[in-house]
Amino acid sequence: DQQVKQNSPSLSVQEGRISILNCDYTNSMFDYFLWYKKYPAEGPTFLISISSIKDKNEDGRFTVFLNKSAKHLSLHIVPSQPGDSAVYFCAASADSGGSNYKLTFGKGTLLTVNP
Amino acid sequence: EPEVTQTPSHQVTQMGQEVILRCVPISNHLYFYWYRQILGQKVEFLVSFYNNEISEKSEIFDDQFSVERPDGSNFTLKIRSTKLEDSAMYFCASGGTATVPLHFGNGTRLTVT
Repeated sequence: DQQVKQNSPSLSVQEGRISILNCDYTNSMFDYFLWYKKYPAEGPTFLISISSIKDKNEDGRFTVFLNKSAKHLSLHIVPSQPGDSAVYFCAASADSGGSNYKLTFGKGTLLTVNP
Repeated sequence: EPEVTQTPSHQVTQMGQEVILRCVPISNHLYFYWYRQILGQKVEFLVSFYNNEISEKSEIFDDQFSVERPDGSNFTLKIRSTKLEDSAMYFCASGGTATVPLHFGNGTRLTVT
């Protein structure tokens, strides 16, 4: 049951270039989407989120785009830095605003930014 | 910045034994969660806890699992009789409200032998 899919297990980019990580979802009830970053031996760290009422959210070098009709979101990192090298998880929730905040995660994409 | 802390970082146990994984959520948070990640697989929701009761649990969270908030600071996950397939990284998470991002701990790696 892959309600959230990250089809690229890995991505390698040069420092200074743009990194684009993609995520697709199947559950039309999802209304809140998040990206988490995870370093080895650490828990996921929240990066950026977007509500389904928006199509773009920007925070510094990180921008998340949401295409509801395609059930697709992407994370853009520009410029990419070596410290951005980590596993990036896309996550979605259908319960925003309720008393539960269950997240459904994708399998993650390992981003490597080469100096 | 406040953190979710989990202990121990690594727990090794024999099949059939009981384990308790401990978490101290961020102090003013109200929503508490356990997730797990089996090696090479995705992070999976186990259970959510709010207002001193389970608000939702996944099909993974069977009768062998239980959660408790024994005092105002700790949040525990108990596995009564561990199985080999329980080996995973277990993440505790907490949230201040239902609409803010969850904050995760660094996880407890559970190895069942």
